[in-house]
Amino acid sequence: KQEVTQIPAALSVPEGENLVLNCSFTDSAIYNLQWFRQDPGKGLTSLLLIQSSQREQTSGRLNASLDKSSGRSTLYIAASQPGDSATYLCAVKGDSNYQLIWGAGTKLIIKP
Amino acid sequence: NAGVMQNPRHLVRRRGQEARLRCSPVKGHSHVYWYRQLPEEGLKFMVYLQKENIIDESGMPKERFSAEFPKEGPSILRIQQVVRGDSAAYFCASSPPVGQGARDTQYFGPGTRLTVL
Repeated sequence: KQEVTQIPAALSVPEGENLVLNCSFTDSAIYNLQWFRQDPGKGLTSLLLIQSSQREQTSGRLNASLDKSSGRSTLYIAASQPGDSATYLCAVKGDSNYQLIWGAGTKLIIKP
Repeated sequence: NAGVMQNPRHLVRRRGQEARLRCSPVKGHSHVYWYRQLPEEGLKFMVYLQKENIIDESGMPKERFSAEFPKEGPSILRIQQVVRGDSAAYFCASSPPVGQGARDTQYFGPGTRLTVL
């Protein structure tokens, strides 16, 4: 049974710092992995989707990497800004099904 | 192109009442998924539907919960006799039919926040 874990659960850093959020999964037979952003009381914004054959994806200041064999993904945020404050969720889609299996999220606070 | 629409955005019910949550998928999408997010937790899969068919309801509680996706109209998630533990955010996602690409990408709605008093 696939399980997704995100570490840390919460993170508070000063503005301008580069930071890394971690996501690990127990079953390496994945179809893709996706990072989402969730603002308080709001919906989900898809940030990056990495197919199982890819190693990384980049969008602006965000870079997500995937290491299937070790069951890990990282989300790198460069030059963090207060507007980056949100909860970041990692979700994995299995090879043989369509369900997204979610981590509990990392709550990120960027201090001005 | 309108994205996935959910209504209401916020719903308050008293214990024992019924809650009906609606989801209109992206135009042309024929697959709908419902997820539930309990406070301070990640999302959990509930049910996967195609038009007029329930494909997988393995994540649905055995009692009080039901879902449908009729030929016409939105998908409905119905919770009967709500209890306080049903308070959560319910997210709907949709994806295109097979063969039109990106079936694996699920597009999410803004969610419905249910509060049971």
